[in-house]
Amino acid sequence: QSALTQPASVSGSPGQSITISCTGTSSDVGGYNYVSWYQQHPGKAPKLMIYAVSDRPSGVSNRFSGSKSGNTASLTISGLQAEDEADYYCSSYSNTNTRVFGGGTKVTVL
Amino acid sequence: EVQLVESGGGLVQPGGSLRLSCAVSGFTFSRYSMTWVRQAPGKGLEWVSYISGSSSTIYYADSVKGRFIISRDNAKNSLYLQMNSLRDDDTAVYYCARDSGIGGSDDFWGQGTLVTVSS
Repeated sequence: QSALTQPASVSGSPGQSITISCTGTSSDVGGYNYVSWYQQHPGKAPKLMIYAVSDRPSGVSNRFSGSKSGNTASLTISGLQAEDEADYYCSSYSNTNTRVFGGGTKVTVL
Repeated sequence: EVQLVESGGGLVQPGGSLRLSCAVSGFTFSRYSMTWVRQAPGKGLEWVSYISGSSSTIYYADSVKGRFIISRDNAKNSLYLQMNSLRDDDTAVYYCARDSGIGGSDDFWGQGTLVTVSS
């Protein structure tokens, strides 16, 4: 149950696009199309932004998109806005019937 | 409106026990699997445990296996986490979350309850 690997921080200017990577193994990210992404603002509960690699829950802006290639999943935020500044976590189903999270990425809007 | 409200957190000594509860409303509780996720102060999210709607399927993270017990009471719309043999590294905010049913994603979360293990 090793954590997925995410960059500690990513930054961008308003209006730009940024991408957060999430690297696992063939036992989790690479083995299933079950990667989720969560947004967490300070002191708040996580919010589901992407599920099943690239699907968005109702109400989530289409500026958020997800993809996967091999053992690496990615979250792209386009048209970056001040309200997007938060921590982002990826999560994947694992072959041990458990889930594993990434270490989290702090997104800063410059 | 879907709501999940955790309770039962607090300060406990190492080796002690604590029982967390999660009261839910706004959806048919028995139709959904539920999970517990924790977050140590200043750290990332850690998946803890999963229980199916009928309680027939249960999974635990290796870090809590043998010490924590997840359960639910569908008649009371409540989820529980019995935590035994608590250690310093169990200190965290504990969140209950509703499993969306699609690939291990959790679509609704409670506000969390803080558990502090310290002497």
